Amino acid sequence: SAVISQKPSRDICQRGTSLTIQCQVDSQVTMMFWYRQQPGQSLTLIATANQGSEATYESGFVIDKFPISRPNLTFSTLTVSNMSPEDSSIYLCSVETGAWFEQFFGPGTRLTVL
Amino acid sequence: DQQVKQNSPSLSVQEGRISILNCDYTNSMFDYFLWYKKYPAEGPTFLISISSIKDKNEDGRFTVFLNKSAKHLSLHIVPSQPGDSAVYFCAASPILTGGGNKLTFGTGTQLKVEL
Repeated sequence: SAVISQKPSRDICQRGTSLTIQCQVDSQVTMMFWYRQQPGQSLTLIATANQGSEATYESGFVIDKFPISRPNLTFSTLTVSNMSPEDSSIYLCSVETGAWFEQFFGPGTRLTVL
Repeated sequence: DQQVKQNSPSLSVQEGRISILNCDYTNSMFDYFLWYKKYPAEGPTFLISISSIKDKNEDGRFTVFLNKSAKHLSLHIVPSQPGDSAVYFCAASPILTGGGNKLTFGTGTQLKVEL
């Protein structure tokens, strides 16, 4: 298993600003994932972040809007850029451990954009 | 296009009875299926999984059944307990070599177990 923390846990931001969300894992992991859960919706994968390489983005998500850093095997950040109210969501990071397919999730960051 | 569907947004069950949560999928490339449980203000926690080579997997009070021909899986919780009250997400993934298996989630079912 893995213990994952996220900062901040929640934030209220103004339209047009940017927010960087941090994800810290208590062990070294190769794969980290960023998800978004919009109100009343399922979790949607934004991107996969491997240490030492560029993040791989899913259809509908672009690097200019959601830049991701992965400086080491225990840490990643997701930035939500030029925010609009439609970006109001819960953002979650997850990691894939040695156990096949089992991803462990952080507690999430609840973002409200006014 | 919602590839993983949970058609029941909510389910209410009495304590001690069986809870059955259903999930349907459309992508025939999915080979591995998982159930996650989510409490408010927490991230989803892994519950149980099944690969497409099996039709049943059991772990304590939780059993997952897979009907691959119908593209349907279900989670059975018996007996249900008040602590089981949470949102349950079904997730699916194709099997990719090298890790990085991408999970596609359903929209979730809110289970309420009543005393």
